[in-house]
Amino acid sequence: DTAVSQTPKYLVTQMGNDKSIKCEQNLGHDTMYWYKQDSKKFLKIMFSYNNKELIINETVPNRFSPKSPDKAHLNLHINSLELGDSAVYFCASSQDPGRNEQFFGPGTRLTVL
Amino acid sequence: SQQGEEDPQALSIQEGENATMNCSYKTSINNLQWYRQNSGRGLVHLILIRSNEREKHSGRLRVTLDTSKKSSSLLITASRAADTASYFCATEGNAGKSTFGDGTTLTVKP
Repeated sequence: DTAVSQTPKYLVTQMGNDKSIKCEQNLGHDTMYWYKQDSKKFLKIMFSYNNKELIINETVPNRFSPKSPDKAHLNLHINSLELGDSAVYFCASSQDPGRNEQFFGPGTRLTVL
Repeated sequence: SQQGEEDPQALSIQEGENATMNCSYKTSINNLQWYRQNSGRGLVHLILIRSNEREKHSGRLRVTLDTSKKSSSLLITASRAADTASYFCATEGNAGKSTFGDGTTLTVKP
């Protein structure tokens, strides 16, 4: 009965590859997010979707493309991976954009070699 | 720069002592939230305080908000070793975007 789940938990890949991270929430929330946490634990929002529509798109390279096939899923595809993309990526969801607590997934640790 | 800045960056105390963490922010907010992150895990929501509230309690947690000083504090009373974690504040302004602080790493020694 996991609330927010992400796959994979760990991802190790070579520079230049394309990879995807999947996120699913079973809380019935309307809003989902992707965050990046770097090695210094600095947590930065990347994207937010509300009812499958993009509402927040921070200054993120266009190699990163989120896709929300339905309200319960928000996937993150990354093209041409670079060393600097190595980080932990967290998916989160909330009932409404920003007004309620966010529920976080366990994170995906991406290592680019 | 980050909306939320927290201090101290790291805090080490003995079990049973109180721990206080502070968060400062720059622009007006709708609410402020505190989260906890255990090593290698996702963030867990602790408490939300709205801009028209000054203080909120939840168990051993006490959060204050001073909008005139643009600051908030999280107090954990009677700390336990299991409280060891990183604590983040997150401010929500207009457009529904939450901005997280840099976090305070708390170590509670048994």
